[in-house]
Amino acid sequence: EILMTQSPATLSVSPGERATLSCRASQSVTSSLAWYQQKPGQAPRLLIYGASTRATGIPARFSGSGSGTEFTLTISSLQSEDFAVYYCQQYDNWPPLTFGGGTKVEIK
Amino acid sequence: EVQLVDSGGGLVQPGGSLRLSCAASGFTFSTYDMNWVRQAPGKGLEWVSCITSSGSTVYYADSVKGRFTISRDNAKNSLYLQMNSLRDGDTAVYYCVAQRGTYSWFDPWGQGTLVTVSS
Repeated sequence: EILMTQSPATLSVSPGERATLSCRASQSVTSSLAWYQQKPGQAPRLLIYGASTRATGIPARFSGSGSGTEFTLTISSLQSEDFAVYYCQQYDNWPPLTFGGGTKVEIK
Repeated sequence: EVQLVDSGGGLVQPGGSLRLSCAASGFTFSTYDMNWVRQAPGKGLEWVSCITSSGSTVYYADSVKGRFTISRDNAKNSLYLQMNSLRDGDTAVYYCVAQRGTYSWFDPWGQGTLVTVSS
């Protein structure tokens, strides 16, 4: 089973600032990595797939990078609607499909 | 509009059974692999089960293997999860999720249905 580790668990950021979220895989997942955003009481929403491709309708301030075992999600200038929990997921080697534990981005 | 609508959740006693359903619309359901993902209260996401587009192959997380059964009816654009021998630890919101292929990301997601296992 591939273990996905996200850091930090909580990130406090002021609106307009840059946020950098990390995701590490216990073994290579090539570029088979997705990022999801989840707001309270809502289902997760796809942001990034293939490690760096934005999903349809996702603003350009969201960007993904990395390959192998190290991945990053960057939000260039945080807007009020971006405060949420973010999950990474690998789909390279499964079952099981595995998610990271999540990073909560909160208002500083 | 692409949509997945989950239903069937509720309160059930430990050892009981429940059947979840997911109705798909706005996309070619029969060409997508389908999954169930759950989220315990205040916790992260846990993959539960997958069924391939034709229904010929199924996969389960170890935590539910032997107790849960995933199935689909492509003629009805519907996905199901039969949950037996339910435990307290199965309490969660269950999401129906589409997956374009075996090595693909999850999109779209249903709104989720809450299953509470409690005496």
